Amino acid sequence: EDQVTQSPEALRLQEGESSSLNCSYTVSGLRGLFWYRQDPGKGPEFLFTLYSAGEEKEKERLKATLTKKESFLHITAPKPEDSATYLCAVRAGYTGTASKLTFGTGTRLQVTL
Amino acid sequence: EAQVTQNPRYLITVTGKKLTVTCSQNMNHEYMSWYRQDPGLGLRQIYYSMNVEVTDKGDVPEGYKVSRKEKRNFPLILESPSPNQTSLYFCASSLGANQPQHFGDGTRLSIL
Repeated sequence: EDQVTQSPEALRLQEGESSSLNCSYTVSGLRGLFWYRQDPGKGPEFLFTLYSAGEEKEKERLKATLTKKESFLHITAPKPEDSATYLCAVRAGYTGTASKLTFGTGTRLQVTL
Repeated sequence: EAQVTQNPRYLITVTGKKLTVTCSQNMNHEYMSWYRQDPGLGLRQIYYSMNVEVTDKGDVPEGYKVSRKEKRNFPLILESPSPNQTSLYFCASSLGANQPQHFGDGTRLSIL
């Protein structure tokens, strides 16, 4: 069974204080790893897709990296507007099950002034 | 504007009274999916559809039905709702199974 574990559960940072969120996974046949951001009362919003170990993607203050066992979402010099819950999800499998998506429980990030 | 629209946004109902949550997308996406989100459990996939008339179970399909008669619509049906189906539900769509998903704003269901 595919497993996705995110840590920490919650993280409080001061504005400008860089940090990383972790997503570790145990799957057979990774097809893609996705990062989403979710604001209160809203649906998740897509950030990045990573497909193979060694891949990196960047967008503004966010950078996502992937190894064979985990992914990191690095947040550089965060601002209060980066406060949200960050979700990691994986698609894995070699057959029709590759169409399922398994989410972690998320990291709740709060950035204060 | 590209969007996934769910209705209703909020519903309080009673055990056993059949209900349908509608989901519609205007992006001509082939892949659609339903999730439920519960505290401490995260988002869990209920059903997904690869295309019209093609649906399959996710991780928590018990007590739910879906249909995909048209590309844009993917309703979620609870034929005999029970209190353990009280949750926040999200519909999502994407071009394909391995493409980023666009999510609706959610439907909060309370079953008494």
